[in-house]
Amino acid sequence: DTEVTQTPKHLVMGMTNKKSLKCEQHMGHRAMYWYKQKAKKPPELMFVYSYEKLSINESVPSRFSPECPNSSLLNLHLHALQPEDSALYLCASSQSGLMGGTSTDTQYFGPGTRLTVL
Amino acid sequence: EDQVTQSPEALRLQEGESSSLNCSYTVSGLRGLFWYRQDPGKGPEFLFTLYSAGEEKEKERLKATLTKKESFLHITAPKPEDSATYLCAVKSGTASKLTFGTGTRLQVTL
Repeated sequence: DTEVTQTPKHLVMGMTNKKSLKCEQHMGHRAMYWYKQKAKKPPELMFVYSYEKLSINESVPSRFSPECPNSSLLNLHLHALQPEDSALYLCASSQSGLMGGTSTDTQYFGPGTRLTVL
Repeated sequence: EDQVTQSPEALRLQEGESSSLNCSYTVSGLRGLFWYRQDPGKGPEFLFTLYSAGEEKEKERLKATLTKKESFLHITAPKPEDSATYLCAVKSGTASKLTFGTGTRLQVTL
């Protein structure tokens, strides 16, 4: 089973709201990722967690705050977002934790959360 | 810097009309090349991982091949349900993340 689940499927929020996106995998994967994808563009990496520790932050604004409560869960806390942050937010996981910052494992993606910021 | 170029940007096929999608890459030490299928508004679905030149993998109507400079995704006798965007991504030994191409949007009509 290579399933990554994400909730909610859709989210509409105002610029002053605080919300969270959730991601879960039960494959025993040790690396988990957050991506942002705009229409007709490829996914852009935001954060990587390896063995529950933040390993990579792609210079993401502080209004996005990731959290990894345990090896199966990954959250993305959202606060004071801008309309340009509207996008499809994707979670992914891979089997091995990053080795020296790299992993050659296949990444498996969740279905995504469609976020609209008004 | 790793680079991935996919062609064509869009492809329209009739059902049963076989074709190939191209993924050209420039990396410093390829560690893996990945093909994904993505339906509109959904997450990418994993198709294949290729690690070395000469490697080939098949799944139903799809076959992926790899050379030292490019990968092809061959689609044999496509059906309308094969319509999607096909993404190629590479991982090099010097990069800490995947580098994606911009995708090929495939439409298969009856």
